[in-house]
Amino acid sequence: QVQLVQSGAEVKKPGASVKVSCKASGYTFTSYDINWVRQATGQGLEWMGWMNPNSGNTGYAQKFQGRVTMTRNTSISTAYMELSSLRSEDTAVYYCARPLHPGDYYFDYWGQGTLVTVSS
Amino acid sequence: EIVLTQSPATLSLSPGERATLSCRASQSVSSYLAWYQQKPGQAPRLLIYDASNRATGIPARFSGSGSGTDFTLTISSLEPEDFAVYYCQQRSNWPPSFGQGTRLEIK
Repeated sequence: QVQLVQSGAEVKKPGASVKVSCKASGYTFTSYDINWVRQATGQGLEWMGWMNPNSGNTGYAQKFQGRVTMTRNTSISTAYMELSSLRSEDTAVYYCARPLHPGDYYFDYWGQGTLVTVSS
Repeated sequence: EIVLTQSPATLSLSPGERATLSCRASQSVSSYLAWYQQKPGQAPRLLIYDASNRATGIPARFSGSGSGTDFTLTISSLEPEDFAVYYCQQRSNWPPSFGQGTRLEIK
């Protein structure tokens, strides 16, 4: 069965960077993009960007351009999302998600979420 | 960027009642709209895609309708497990975007 398993919670200071991992199993990792969506506590969902595990191509929401980097290691079927210059407003749960169909933007498989807390 | 506005913000109903949730887009998204359910501490769950197609394993009491700018998610007869937050999401225009959510609570 398809599973996306994310790394554990992180606490970071303002200005630091965080790197969240998302390990995929149960399907061919290179066949589907990995997207990242975040959710601040008690707030809605915010799409951050996508990464094609086959080519390494990426696309980021304008809000995160210059601060986010999405990469992968195909040998271990793992995607990564790194966010730099962290500020308190980046405190949120970060999810990786796989689309329903390759290249799609409907998400039918999600990781369990990784809480990133930014605090001095 | 397309803005999705969901209404109402909170809907209070009893089990067995019919729920009607709305999502309005700031410009046409054709039929490229999805609905998700999210329970506390859980990731979102895809319910409906392309406005009216149920995702795998979703009960028939969930249905979606609409096109262009106005969409509806209907739950025909509420079960206790349906009380949650519901989000709409469009994929018509890049970047994909979500509505702010409707909280469905037990009356």
